[in-house]
Amino acid sequence: SQKIEQNSEALNIQEGKTATLTCNYTNYSPAYLQWYRQDPGRGPVFLLLIRENEKEKRKERLKVTFDTTLKQSLFHITASQPADSATYLCALDVRANNLFFGTGTRLTVIP
Amino acid sequence: DAGITQSPRHKVTETGTPVTLRCHQTENHRYMYWYRQDPGHGLRLIHYSYGVKDTDKGEVSDGYSVSRSKTEDFLLTLESATSSQTSVYFCAIRDSLMNTEAFFGQGTRLTVV
Repeated sequence: SQKIEQNSEALNIQEGKTATLTCNYTNYSPAYLQWYRQDPGRGPVFLLLIRENEKEKRKERLKVTFDTTLKQSLFHITASQPADSATYLCALDVRANNLFFGTGTRLTVIP
Repeated sequence: DAGITQSPRHKVTETGTPVTLRCHQTENHRYMYWYRQDPGHGLRLIHYSYGVKDTDKGEVSDGYSVSRSKTEDFLLTLESATSSQTSVYFCAIRDSLMNTEAFFGQGTRLTVV
């Protein structure tokens, strides 16, 4: 069956450290992979998109990797801050009519 | 913020009653989606639209119908609400097919009692 798994439901990290979130998938062949941030009571907000032929993408303190052989994406936040605390969702862009979402990882950055 | 508005933001309804949720966009995006979000399941697609009067089913479409009579409005109807449809509903829009981000509304929290 098709699955998208994000490594853990919750991740606590000390301020200033690098947070690494994992997204693993099975039985999908995504052309693109996206990461979103969701704050409580709000809709997801787009952060980054990476194509299947890209190994790495960066935006400010964010970095995403995409390994189609391992069927895995890693999402890094460097120099993490309490304001980075949120739930982070990965989404597979498989075909035109849908984004398939993981269940998310709730990140808490401890001051 | 992308111009996308959901209404109502909160609703409590009784089992067996019909309910309609509205999504309104001012971005003129072609593609519109309805998702539901439940603990442990993430976001799951209910229905989507690829143009006026053009809609199709998603993963969890049973018990739901949609209509899109204008580019800017996408309505989700629960024909006869059940407790299993208690959820948070999100509308999303996209400008084109793949390789573009989705913009989400603020969500509608629906409780069926």
